[in-house]
Amino acid sequence: RKEVEQDPGPFNVPEGATVAFNCTYSNSASQSFFWYRQDCRKEPKLLMSVYSSGNEDGRFTAQLNRASQYISLLIRDSKLSDSATYLCVVADTGRRALTFGSGTRLQVQP
Amino acid sequence: DAGVIQSPRHEVTEMGQEVTLRCKPISGHDYLFWYRQTMMRGLELLIYFNNNVPIDDSGMPEDRFSAKMPNASFSTLKIQPSEPRDSAVYFCASSLGGGVYEQYFGPGTRLTVT
Repeated sequence: RKEVEQDPGPFNVPEGATVAFNCTYSNSASQSFFWYRQDCRKEPKLLMSVYSSGNEDGRFTAQLNRASQYISLLIRDSKLSDSATYLCVVADTGRRALTFGSGTRLQVQP
Repeated sequence: DAGVIQSPRHEVTEMGQEVTLRCKPISGHDYLFWYRQTMMRGLELLIYFNNNVPIDDSGMPEDRFSAKMPNASFSTLKIQPSEPRDSAVYFCASSLGGGVYEQYFGPGTRLTVT
């Protein structure tokens, strides 16, 4: 079983749509959680951290459910520029390294 | 700051040749990470350093791979001898305080071994 599992997609949605991505992780010792964004043939970049209480950054909302070991990302009012691969990432505080999911590809269509 | 710098950006080499990838982390960052990304396996951590000392190399695939960090501003990843299955994008990333904080990735080196 992979440490971090994501639906690879692709998710094809029209502009303005709301889309949600889910992720599960297997290591209950994981302490920190992130969503990274990777554009085609580019490097990953931090989109947002995920806090236990949930957090929002503009059109993006991240949620964490520690009991179910589940992380989600909600994108409202999708833009063409949101088209990318979204990587779910967990950090084991002890190991101080990140484990990346394989990513979910989003394609927003006009 | 220029961000994380990697060279070369593209490398094409023949099987059996030695390949050296280079990375300059962001000044002041105390952690440096090497990753490999392929379609089949996604983004995998190969090795990381803290204050120039290798901390975890459990992701290094085999003895053909080695990494060094002689000083705070430079690291290399070497593959000798290279094999076609080593073809991938290799990313270097750095952070202040380790993986629990934001990691900044370089643009990557696209390696093709024929």
